[in-house]
Amino acid sequence: EAAVTQSPRNKVTVTGGNVTLSCRQTNSHNYMYWYRQDTGHGLRLIHYSYGAGNLQIGDVPDGYKATRTTQEDFFLLLELASPSQTSLYFCASSDWDWGYEQYFGPGTRLTVL
Amino acid sequence: AQSVTQPDARVTVSQGASLQLRCKYSYSGTPYLFWYVQYPRQGLQLLLKYYSGDPVVQGVNGFEAEFSKSNSSFHPRKASVHWSDSAVYFCAVSHNVGDNSKLIWGLGTSLVVNP
Repeated sequence: EAAVTQSPRNKVTVTGGNVTLSCRQTNSHNYMYWYRQDTGHGLRLIHYSYGAGNLQIGDVPDGYKATRTTQEDFFLLLELASPSQTSLYFCASSDWDWGYEQYFGPGTRLTVL
Repeated sequence: AQSVTQPDARVTVSQGASLQLRCKYSYSGTPYLFWYVQYPRQGLQLLLKYYSGDPVVQGVNGFEAEFSKSNSSFHPRKASVHWSDSAVYFCAVSHNVGDNSKLIWGLGTSLVVNP
C-alpha cells in the first residue's frame, strides 16, 4: 500500500518565523510534490522533485524553498513566514510506472500569525 | 497550453438522485486523466483514472466516468448518491515532458448531498 506521511500535522508560527514541513514516502517513487490548498484556488504546485538532489519550480514558488535529501524525504522550508502563507499543505508522490497517479499525505495546516 | 476546467464550483443534489460532474481538458497528445475526491478534513484520494482502452472506467464508491476525445471531456457519474458522497472533487490531467511530470488541476467541484 502506498504511503505518504507528513509532519507536523498542525503548526502555528509568527510572521518572520522559520518553518520546515516534512514529507516521507515509502512507495519508492521518483517524483514528490508540495502543494498548497486555499479556498477558491484549488491545489497549487509549489515545488516538485525527480529524485534526491533534484528540484523543480512549481507554479507558486515565491517565499518557499524545498530540498529532496533522499528518495524518501522531501522538505518544504519557509524562512520568513508571512500571513499569506497560512494554508493547508499537501505532499504527494508518483512515478511513471504507477501511471503518474499521485498519492497524497494527510496534509499540514499552517497558521502564520 | 494545457488546462483543466471544472465549470461547476458547487453542485447540490438530493440523496438518491443521479449525479454527473463535469471536467474538460486541453492537452496535446494522449492524456492521463484523474479524478480525486477530498472528504471533509481529509487528504485527497483517487476516485477514477483513465489513460487508454475502454473509454468507460469504473472507480470507487460506485462512480464511473466516460472519456471523450472528441469533446475533450472526462465526466464522472453515479446512479444514486449518498450523503457521504458530500466532498470536493478535483479533475486533473498529467503533464509529462522529459523528466518533468506533474498534474494540472481543475479548481474543484464541491458536492453537497442533502439527506
